[in-house]
Amino acid sequence: GDSVTQMEGPVTLSEEAFLTINCTYTATGYPSLFWYVQYPGEGLQLLLKATKADDKGSNKGFEATYRKETTSFHLEKGSVQVSDSAVYFCALTNTGNQFYFGTGTSLTVIP
Amino acid sequence: KAGVTQTPRYLIKTRGQQVTLSCSPISGHRSVSWYQQTPGQGLQFLFEYFSETQRNKGNFPGRFSGRQFSNSRSEMNVSTLELGDSALYLCASSLEVVGNEQYFGPGTRLTVT
Repeated sequence: GDSVTQMEGPVTLSEEAFLTINCTYTATGYPSLFWYVQYPGEGLQLLLKATKADDKGSNKGFEATYRKETTSFHLEKGSVQVSDSAVYFCALTNTGNQFYFGTGTSLTVIP
Repeated sequence: KAGVTQTPRYLIKTRGQQVTLSCSPISGHRSVSWYQQTPGQGLQFLFEYFSETQRNKGNFPGRFSGRQFSNSRSEMNVSTLELGDSALYLCASSLEVVGNEQYFGPGTRLTVT
């Protein structure tokens, strides 16, 4: 069945460091891919998405490219801030509208 | 447009009791999904409702049930509560468009003592 595997955390970075959180997926057909972010005490918020191969999703300095050949959707940011500290979830949806989430990666950015 | 709302935000119940949680989706969204989030198990899918019908179901015991009303509002019920049911319960809604994102509510924090 469909599934998402993402990099285990926690990840701790210094402010202005480069961030990569790896995400790979298993799915039939052509899923849509997402990154969600969860701040403490809140629900999940959509960060970015890509709906077809080679699409690049971007938002708030974060980017991820849908790579069908490597079945990956890695999240990157060139310079993280303390306010980026949160838990990040990779997810996919396919036909049938069911979503599959990764286990989440906790990011802490220290000043 | 108002976001997904969940009530109540916090609940404390005793083992053996039952609980009902409510979710109001974004206006126009007909798909509602429920998730359980715990530190140990992460985000686990409970079920999805569309047009008052359960369309997808996760791997949870029958104590967990749900329903959806004609206005797309949804409720989930947990009977005979166990300590392990303590979790953040998240509701998400989406448009019935393949590939569309889900929008999450703030969650209901359930504590079972």
